[in-house]
Amino acid sequence: EVQLVQSGAEVKKPGESLKISCKGSGYSFTSYWIGWVRQMPGKGLEWMGIIYPGDSDTRYSPSFQGQVTISADKSISTAYLQWSSLKASDTAMYYCARPLVPTVTSAAFDIWGQGTMVTVSS
Amino acid sequence: SYVLTQPPSVSVAPGQTARITCGGNNIGSKSVHWYQQKPGQAPVLVVYDDSDRPSGIPERFSGSNSGNTATLTISRVEAGDEADYYCQVWDSSSDHPRVFGTGTKVTVL
Repeated sequence: EVQLVQSGAEVKKPGESLKISCKGSGYSFTSYWIGWVRQMPGKGLEWMGIIYPGDSDTRYSPSFQGQVTISADKSISTAYLQWSSLKASDTAMYYCARPLVPTVTSAAFDIWGQGTMVTVSS
Repeated sequence: SYVLTQPPSVSVAPGQTARITCGGNNIGSKSVHWYQQKPGQAPVLVVYDDSDRPSGIPERFSGSNSGNTATLTISRVEAGDEADYYCQVWDSSSDHPRVFGTGTKVTVL
């Protein structure tokens, strides 16, 4: 079964760092891009960026460039989203997702992780 | 960046047809994907590339795209179709290429 399994919920204080993960299984992890999507409480979906684990080619939405870092470790089929200094406004659900077609950045996301809720509060 | 506009809400009686629109400049020249999201769950792809359905998605879900409007049509609506629906395109000319619509809440009366 093709699936993405994300790390568990996090509660952090402003200024702290955080790295959440997304582990792929059931398919060739290095052949498909992995994207990250933010959903703030009660709001819509926002594309943050995408990485190709095969060569670590990474693209960011301008809205998130410089705010987060996307990375991947192909040896353990895991992608990451990290923050160096969290803000209260980073409170949201974060989803990783895989496109329908290998190697194609623009394809629809057909496989989604279950989401990681990040709460930032003093 | 490219903007996709959806109606905030659509209400439909069981057994009737729901139509959810997604407006964007010359959206007919782009591939449109549609996602369904139920409360507390991750999104699910229901239509891709304007009108194709992933395996496991009922034929009741269909899509079309022309001009400045893409449409997701849900025929013979069931209570289980109540959810938020998001359109999404890839705008290759933009520095913010993967764009989601504003989302539409479908309520089954």
